Amino acid sequence: GQNIDQPTEMTATEGAIVQINCTYQTSGFNGLFWYQQHAGEAPTFLSYNVLDGLEEKGRFSSFLSRSKGYSYLLLKELQMKDSASYLCAVRLSGGSYIPTFGRGTSLIVHP
Amino acid sequence: DTGVSQNPRHKITKRGQNVTFRCDPISEHNRLYWYRQTLGQGPEFLTYFQNEAQLEKSRLLSDRFSAERPKGSFSTLEIQRTEQGDSAMYLCASSPGTGIEKLFFGSGTQLSVL
Repeated sequence: GQNIDQPTEMTATEGAIVQINCTYQTSGFNGLFWYQQHAGEAPTFLSYNVLDGLEEKGRFSSFLSRSKGYSYLLLKELQMKDSASYLCAVRLSGGSYIPTFGRGTSLIVHP
Repeated sequence: DTGVSQNPRHKITKRGQNVTFRCDPISEHNRLYWYRQTLGQGPEFLTYFQNEAQLEKSRLLSDRFSAERPKGSFSTLEIQRTEQGDSAMYLCASSPGTGIEKLFFGSGTQLSVL
């Protein structure tokens, strides 16, 4: 089966940096996504990694190590609007395009 | 690009009733997904279409759940004989069939079974 682990909740201060980790154990791998979901809203795409290394996009960066089954999402210069759930999703190899989601990490940013 | 549209936004029903939800994907997207999400959990995959073909349906939660995409455009998800445990947010997503295949989600249908 598939197992995707993320911390349930994290808190951070406005202006700080926070790292949200995701570990996965899956039968095959064909990419890892990070999505942001504000309360009561739909998930929206943040980043995608399929090769090892760091992908940077503005204040957000995502890292992948396939050998360790590990990814993290790094959020810099935190803003209050970054308070949301962050979902890690793994897509398996084998022709299926279906991402499997972790339970999400609820990030609370306080002043 | 008007985004993925889901109707209704909210549905309240009594246990035992049938409900149907509709999803209109982004027009040029040929892949369409249904997920279910409960409070504090990530989206749970239910089923997936490529054009009108339902390629994966083994993860539908029971035989009370069914989905269609008759002309490869909009899709419907039906739950028959609803149970209180079916209360959840039902999310639809579409993807273009090319590139990294990121999902574009609709705002969901919140189902409450009384």
